[in-house]
Amino acid sequence: DVKVTQSSRYLVKRTGEKVFLECVQDMDHENMFWYRQDPGLGLRLIYFSYDVKMKEKGDIPEGYSVSREKKERFSLILESASTNQTSMYLCASSLRSWAYEQYFGPGTRLTVT
Amino acid sequence: AQKITQTQPGMFVQEKEAVTLDCTYDTSDQSYGLFWYKQPSSGEMIFLIYQGSYDEQNATEGRYSLNFQKARKSANLVISASQLGDSAMYFCAMRDSYGGATNKLIFGTGTLLAVQP
Repeated sequence: DVKVTQSSRYLVKRTGEKVFLECVQDMDHENMFWYRQDPGLGLRLIYFSYDVKMKEKGDIPEGYSVSREKKERFSLILESASTNQTSMYLCASSLRSWAYEQYFGPGTRLTVT
Repeated sequence: AQKITQTQPGMFVQEKEAVTLDCTYDTSDQSYGLFWYKQPSSGEMIFLIYQGSYDEQNATEGRYSLNFQKARKSANLVISASQLGDSAMYFCAMRDSYGGATNKLIFGTGTLLAVQP
């Protein structure tokens, strides 16, 4: 079975802190994604990566950066956390093929105080 | 622009009855794929079913079926014989050729389904 893991289920950080969210997948998927989920807004794509060291902005990249040094690991970085970044963060991975679904991690609920 | 619309924020259904969750989409592309995901209260997203735009038959996976009406641009999820464990948020998503090899998905805002005993 495909497994996508995220470093924390719950995280509480203070405004201005640098925050790292880690995501690891074990199925050799080329593509990895970071979403944030907010009530009434669904899932919105922050960044994605289609290969090691390759990344592209999604729909809401402001205030975030990413790192993909190894194929299995994709990190989301909040350079200076703000209260409006309080949200559920979901990582996903997929093969680079047309009909293949994305596999999701369990999510990290981040609270910035 | 590509868009997914789920107009039902919440729905109730009696256990053992069937329920339809609505999803309409907008794309100018001829080649696209439609996905449904389930998100229980625990938070993980679970893939349910996939329909390709060129698939001639509606997709089915166990109790889940996708009522695909291409001309109307709708891809409704039908759950037959609802169970208490079906209570969850359900998301419709689309990927078209603009997503290319990156397999990017666009998600709707979701429908919260509550199954009543």
